[in-house]
Amino acid sequence: AQKVTQAQTEISVVEKEDVTLDCVYETRDTTYYLFWYKQPPSGELVFLIRRNSFDEQNEISGRYSWNFQKSTSSFNFTITASQVVDSAVYFCALSEAASGSGGYQKVTFGIGTKLQVIP
Amino acid sequence: DADVTQTPRNRITKTGKRIMLECSQTKGHDRMYWYRQDPGLGLRLIYYSFDVKDINKGEISDGYSVSRQAQAKFSLSLESAIPNQTALYFCATSDPDTPDNYGYTFGSGTRLTVV
Repeated sequence: AQKVTQAQTEISVVEKEDVTLDCVYETRDTTYYLFWYKQPPSGELVFLIRRNSFDEQNEISGRYSWNFQKSTSSFNFTITASQVVDSAVYFCALSEAASGSGGYQKVTFGIGTKLQVIP
Repeated sequence: DADVTQTPRNRITKTGKRIMLECSQTKGHDRMYWYRQDPGLGLRLIYYSFDVKDINKGEISDGYSVSRQAQAKFSLSLESAIPNQTALYFCATSDPDTPDNYGYTFGSGTRLTVV
């Protein structure tokens, strides 16, 4: 069974601080995908990143970076020099690889981490 | 126009009423989903559909039904709404054969309150 754990339910940081959001996952699959989504106060869900299980290379996109470590089953998300606009709920998610057009792409979401950036 | 459009954005309804939430998409994806979001529980899958002839139950389908009227349209119905169905509902699409977007595309959500 798949499981995604986001142990931090709420985090508060002061603007310009760095912050890391933790994500630990469980799966029996050897091929899987990991995602992060952002949910700002307006409520929509915004896709941030997808990582497949064969690619452990860390990724940086502006102030965002992701650290994928299969050895610890973790896919952590760091925001550098946080800004008020980063205030949101962030979801980590895990997906099995879809087995072709007849397969179901099961996605399991964590409960989310609410990040508040204080000016 | 948004890729995935949900209507209404907000709805308050009374216990026992039938209500339909609608979702339409312009991405051309075959796969569509309905999720509900509750505080502290994340997103949970209600129903999913791979095409107009394929409907499947998710984790929490009791009390809900769906209709896939066309590739682009996927509606969620609450036959007799109850207060614990108060939640934020998301429609999503996906296309695992598209390398650059394996993730879901979500609609903006429908906030449903059952009183």
